Amino acid sequence: QSVLTQPPSVSAAPGQKVTISCSGSGSNIGNNFVSWYQQLPGTAPRLLIYDNNKRPSGIPDRFSGSKSGTSATLGITGLQTGDEADYYCGTWDGSLSVGVFGGGTTLTVL
Amino acid sequence: QVQLVESGGGVVQPGRSLRLSCVASGLSFSRYPIHWVRQAPGKGLEWVAVYSYGRGYKHYADSVKGRFTISSDNSKNTMYLQMGGLRTEDTAVYYCVREWSRDCGFDYWGQGALVTVSS
Repeated sequence: QSVLTQPPSVSAAPGQKVTISCSGSGSNIGNNFVSWYQQLPGTAPRLLIYDNNKRPSGIPDRFSGSKSGTSATLGITGLQTGDEADYYCGTWDGSLSVGVFGGGTTLTVL
Repeated sequence: QVQLVESGGGVVQPGRSLRLSCVASGLSFSRYPIHWVRQAPGKGLEWVAVYSYGRGYKHYADSVKGRFTISSDNSKNTMYLQMGGLRTEDTAVYYCVREWSRDCGFDYWGQGALVTVSS
């Protein structure tokens, strides 16, 4: 059981938009910055979003992040088949002094 | 160019110990916290531990507390994860990662080291 809650799967057609939610609590998302990761099959995760809504160099602006209260959202527009992957949210939990991740969401581009 | 390379994975019997190493190039451990994150086969990411040499703190997940110890040898630019009392549920790929931005923003990941705990 993950500390952060994500939907197990989402799907959408190529070119469409999809959002992935991440729900936590005041001790983690509510008081800390959220990051998002993309993991393609057989590879290490890649940082997509940090500090709730910032993109590292090289990440296209089709990927966006937002946070409100104890929830965060990853948005992906202009979906491509290459976006099919597992997506994870993560942050720090200040009360537990541990890092926490969501259970992961599998994106299928139909 | 920042690079993290893990080594030391393998097959080990339950109850035994194993030490993973993470050699860093292009970064200094004193500047960035280094975490270990693991992923069991077919499962999601699980945070394991963090060591901030610069700020002098270490933290562990409850699932490994008292069994795993994180340390570093700055002269070798190497981080270690000493794993003791291994259990079958510790079977996973272990990643060494750099915390670049606040609150677990991990920008560099190693290739991972597979640890299999089995009798």
